[in-house]
Amino acid sequence: QLQLQESGPGLVKPSETLSLTCTVSGGSISSSSYYWGWIRQPPGKGLEWIGSIYYSGSTYYNPSLKSRVTISVDTSKNQFSLKLSSVTAADTAVYYCARTGELSLYLDNWFDPWGQGTLVTVSS
Amino acid sequence: DIQMTQSPSAMSASVGDRVTITCRASQGISNYLAWFQQKPGKVPKRLIYASSSLQSGVPSRFSGSGSGTEFTLTISSLQPEDFATYYCLQHNSYPYTFGQGTKLEIK
Repeated sequence: QLQLQESGPGLVKPSETLSLTCTVSGGSISSSSYYWGWIRQPPGKGLEWIGSIYYSGSTYYNPSLKSRVTISVDTSKNQFSLKLSSVTAADTAVYYCARTGELSLYLDNWFDPWGQGTLVTVSS
Repeated sequence: DIQMTQSPSAMSASVGDRVTITCRASQGISNYLAWFQQKPGKVPKRLIYASSSLQSGVPSRFSGSGSGTEFTLTISSLQPEDFATYYCLQHNSYPYTFGQGTKLEIK
């Protein structure tokens, strides 16, 4: 059973870079043609897709964040990571990692499963 | 970007009621539409994928329909555990976008 787990600092200072890692267990991150991605949710607000990465390394970012976002994959550690630079209080949110797609005709592996989420607060 | 407009934004209903939530896409997305349920402090849970396919383990009172630009999530007989916020998601084209959410409250 595939499981995802986010990790990283819960507090980041304004103007610094937010860095999170998602560890995948129960399967290899590179064993199938999957996409892996990040979604965030500010307190009391809705969900926002940040970006996704194909297991081979191709990336797709939300244009609203593209200039500040980098998503990378480390197949040797079965992990993928998020970096968001120049953060402000508006970046305070719960950050989720998830399997966000599959290169196939089937849609059953899109946006499932998710990690449990990690709250990142931007504050000095 | 494809805009996903959910309606209503909030609603109240009683246990046993039939409830329908609508999601409209600003352009056609085929059946690349999923529905999620989120309870306070919890991870979003996928209920429906491919517009109408029921996630394994999700009660059959949940159903989804639609294609193109208009989609619905129906709960045939509300149960106490169904009171939550529901989101639609289009993954037809980048950037993937969620609806703004529908908060379902107890009447």
